[in-house]
Amino acid sequence: AQTVTQSQPEMSVQEAETVTLSCTYDTSESDYYLFWYKQPPSRQMILVIRQEAYKQQNATENRFSVNFQKAAKSFSLKISDSQLGDAAMYFCAYRRGNFGNEKLTFGTGTRLTIIP
Amino acid sequence: DADVTQTPRNRITKTGKRIMLECSQTKGHDRMYWYRQDPGLGLRLIYYSFDVKDINKGEISDGYSVSRQAQAKFSLSLESAIPNQTALYFCATSFSRGTDTQYFGPGTRLTVL
Repeated sequence: AQTVTQSQPEMSVQEAETVTLSCTYDTSESDYYLFWYKQPPSRQMILVIRQEAYKQQNATENRFSVNFQKAAKSFSLKISDSQLGDAAMYFCAYRRGNFGNEKLTFGTGTRLTIIP
Repeated sequence: DADVTQTPRNRITKTGKRIMLECSQTKGHDRMYWYRQDPGLGLRLIYYSFDVKDINKGEISDGYSVSRQAQAKFSLSLESAIPNQTALYFCATSFSRGTDTQYFGPGTRLTVL
């Protein structure tokens, strides 16, 4: 079974600094997708970034980028120029790429605090 | 207006009561999902539906049932609520002919006393 591990329950960063959240996963599949979701205090789950396993290029979305290391099964999220609005729980998630299998497997989350 | 809505947003009920949580979407997506979030456990899949006639169990379906009334509506029922079903419940949608990324509703916080 696929598993997703987030080893940092809590992280903090100074406003305007850069922070990296870690995620590792275990799978025997070669075709899959990885995601980072953000859950602010409003509890809404918001998609931050998406990575296809077959793409070597790391995904980026404005201040958010990933470091995808397929061989190491590592998928870290880098947040640059941290802002107060980035404070939230961040969840890493995995989904197999096979048609008909849409289950997302989530990690346990990392709580990010932004220090003004 | 939000693309994925859930009602109610908060609900407190008693053990043994029947509860229905509703999800509606205006995204035009064909696939819909129900997840449960417990502290320290992340989200876990309860049920998912590829279209109105296709409903599948997730990893924690015991004690739950679902109904896909239309492409845009997917309801989750607890036939006889118990305290360990106290959790945050999320509905999500995705489009099979797009990136198939799942988009979540705002969640329903359910407390079973």
